[in-house]
Amino acid sequence: GQNIDQPTEMTATEGAIVQINCTYQTSGFNGLFWYQQHAGEAPTFLSYNVLDGLEEKGRFSSFLSRSKGYSYLLLKELQMKDSASYLCAIMDSNYQLIWGAGTKLIIKP
Amino acid sequence: DGGITQSPKYLFRKEGQNVTLSCEQNLNHDAMYWYRQDPGQGLRLIYYSQIVNDFQKGDIAEGYSVSREKKESFPLTVTSAQKNPTAFYLCASSIELSGANVLTFGAGSRLTVL
Repeated sequence: GQNIDQPTEMTATEGAIVQINCTYQTSGFNGLFWYQQHAGEAPTFLSYNVLDGLEEKGRFSSFLSRSKGYSYLLLKELQMKDSASYLCAIMDSNYQLIWGAGTKLIIKP
Repeated sequence: DGGITQSPKYLFRKEGQNVTLSCEQNLNHDAMYWYRQDPGQGLRLIYYSQIVNDFQKGDIAEGYSVSREKKESFPLTVTSAQKNPTAFYLCASSIELSGANVLTFGAGSRLTVL
């Protein structure tokens, strides 16, 4: 079967660094996405990884290891506005997106 | 500004009633999607459409219907056959960016069955 695991909830402090992990088992792999979703709002695209390694985009970075079925999203210099859910999604061999349940990130002052 | 507009944002329905959720995009995207989001679960695909006048069932199409008569519009009807329709519904469209099919989402419609 297909499975994506993310922690349900994480808490971090403003100004700190947090790493949100995503592990997956899917039928094939054609890329991994991270989206941010504020409560009651639309998910917005953060990053896309298809090759192993780290992709950096400002305060956010995303890492992929295809052999380990593992990705993480790294958020630096945390701001209160980063409080949101972070969704991991895999594009499988049929180019269909399989979504994790999301990680709710709570930022404390 | 280009984007996706969903309406209504909140909708209440009595059991046995059909309701239609609107989704309009001005991004000129060919592909459009409907997802359902429930607490503690990942997004689940209801229907998708790659082109006008064509659409395909997703993983949980039972009790739902769609149409794609115009490129800009992809309405979703939640029928009385859907046994557990209370959920947050998200419409999306997609474009390919650097080999990735990136989704742009609407703000969602929250349906509650009374």
